[in-house]
Amino acid sequence: NAGVTQTPKFRILKIGQSMTLQCAQDMNHNYMYWYRQDPGMGLKLIYYSVGAGITDKGEVPNGYNVSRSTTEDFPLRLELAAPSQTSVYFCASSGGQGNSPLHFGNGTRLTVT
Amino acid sequence: DAKTTQPTSMDCAEGRAANLPCNHSTISGNEYVYWYRQIHSQGPQYIIHGLKNNETNEMASLIITEDRKSSTLILPHATLRDTAVYYCIVRAWGGAQKLVFGQGTRLTINP
Repeated sequence: NAGVTQTPKFRILKIGQSMTLQCAQDMNHNYMYWYRQDPGMGLKLIYYSVGAGITDKGEVPNGYNVSRSTTEDFPLRLELAAPSQTSVYFCASSGGQGNSPLHFGNGTRLTVT
Repeated sequence: DAKTTQPTSMDCAEGRAANLPCNHSTISGNEYVYWYRQIHSQGPQYIIHGLKNNETNEMASLIITEDRKSSTLILPHATLRDTAVYYCIVRAWGGAQKLVFGQGTRLTINP
């Protein structure tokens, strides 16, 4: 059981480049989330999804896009990378019950220069 | 969701119980208290959650005061591997778990 898998682990982008951060879960969870964590800070929610085809904005959605075409996958797209998007990105999933805890991946460390 | 207040940092000796406090004075009746921890730069790890009764699992115990305005996470026999940032989060039951992470408590276990 792999849980939540994120790829790549590390990436360096130039300003203005685009990339997609991949996230997959094998727990058949309905809910999936993207968080970012800046150095020394707590996590902030970017986007989340309550099921395939349904996504919604979190606290800091600007500069990002998401899609959820399957239950398993929840990719995060950066269209025009900016230095302010340098961060560690965590994907998470949770089950359908009201108190199901979040299961996190190990993160993607992104640097934009 | 109610806000939480935690000490910035704490130290504990290896083998002793680590008691991490959290204040959530504005918690409402349908909100649960969750604890997560983040070891180094890994993804956060769920520890435990509770509503009003004390809870215990294989990782920790959660003690919630009768008025529910504060709680304490207890790691009964702390090891060096428990060194991490611990987050106390209050969240209502149901739906997407859009957790709000503060800065947490940095717990250092000393040999």
